[in-house]
Formats: sequence, C-alpha cells, structure tokens
Amino acid sequence: GAVVSQHPSRVICKSGTSVKIECRSLDFQATTMFWYRQFPKKSLMLMATSNEGSKATYEQGVEKDKFLINHASLTLSTLTVTSAHPEDSSFYICSARDRLAGGLAKNIQYFGAGTRLSVL
Amino acid sequence: DQQVKQNSPSLSVQEGRISILNCDYTNSMFDYFLWYKKYPAEGPTFLISISSIKDKNEDGRFTVFLNKSAKHLSLHIVPSQPGDSAVYFCAATSPGDSGNTPLVFGKGTRLSVIA
Repeated sequence: GAVVSQHPSRVICKSGTSVKIECRSLDFQATTMFWYRQFPKKSLMLMATSNEGSKATYEQGVEKDKFLINHASLTLSTLTVTSAHPEDSSFYICSARDRLAGGLAKNIQYFGAGTRLSVL
Repeated sequence: DQQVKQNSPSLSVQEGRISILNCDYTNSMFDYFLWYKKYPAEGPTFLISISSIKDKNEDGRFTVFLNKSAKHLSLHIVPSQPGDSAVYFCAATSPGDSGNTPLVFGKGTRLSVIA
C-alpha cells in the first residue's frame, strides 16, 4: 500500500524558533501533497495544497509567510512553521495523492502519522 | 458552513454486533466519498470509498452505502471488533481532473467496540 512518512512525530520548541516538518511518499510519487492541522476534538483543517515545482495554494486565513511550504521533488514536501508561538501548538498532518493513480482512485489521499508540535 | 456532517460524535457497540456510522453532506457537486479511520496520535488511514454512480461498496467487514437523493452515506462494520475502536472520518470531494481537489472532512465519530 501507499506509505507516507512524516517526520518528526513530535517536537517541542521555544517560542520564536522555526520548526520544519517533512512529508515523504515512500513508494509512490506525489505531485500534490496536502497539509492539515487538527485542533482538539475538531476535524482536519486544510491549511494548504502543495504542488511539486510550484507555489503552494493556501486556504483562506492561513498565513503563507508563517507556514512556509516547499515541494521540491515528487516525494518530498516540507512545512516550516516560522517564529513559532504557543498558539501554533497543534497536530499537523500531511497527505499525498499518487500521481499515477487512475480514475477516481486519484482522489484517495494517503496520510502521514502526524506531528505534534508544542511551542513553549 | 459545514459541507460534510457527522452528527454523532461517539458510538458504542458490543463486539460482534453491527456498527453503523452516518454522514450527511450538503454539496450536490460531491461525487466521491471516502471513509478514514484514525487512531490517537496517528494519521488517518484510508478505509473504503464509493463513487456517486454506485449505491453500495463492500470490502470485507466494511460496507459503505450511498443515498444520493438524501445526501447521506453510512459505513457499516459487521461484525464489530475491539480493534475497530477509533475515530472514523467521512470525506467527500467534487469532480477535478488535476487531482488537486481537496477532500472535505466531517468532524469524525469515535467508535468504541466493547468486548
């Protein structure tokens, strides 16, 4: 099956520092990856759509200068939380679509295990 | 406005019985629906999906039913097992050739299967 690796699984950092989260598709190529944030007892909130070789598309209300996304290859997308503050503490999850999937299967997203960010 | 709704935040079922998780949607453009299962501190795992041209899709113990006229879908798990205890998310998407169309998720239903 399609595997997405997300690293690190947990990070604790001081306020004002930047944190990078990696999302890798291990056995497939992904021209499109998605970054989500999950608040306690809430659903997955889409932050941005990451497109290989081009700029990410951010959802309304998500600061692009705050959450930097880079999708430099077909298997790797990174999310950098810049100048992190306590309110950025959350569970961040990435997902990827198999670019070679055909038909409706191209809509299936495969998720990483998530990253728990705690900003002190 | 929530386009995908899972109105039951939690559900408890005895082992061996049927679990029925419900999902309603409002956007008539949605044509593909997915169910994901999520354990704590893990990412969601794809479970089963259904296209709007079908009304039923079955995979082992899992069956998804779609009622387009009612804009309602349900996931049936039978027989339920303790390992099925998790949060189940319903998701939907609308037509898109590029594969960039995002999924819209419901808030999830926490299923507890009691031994």
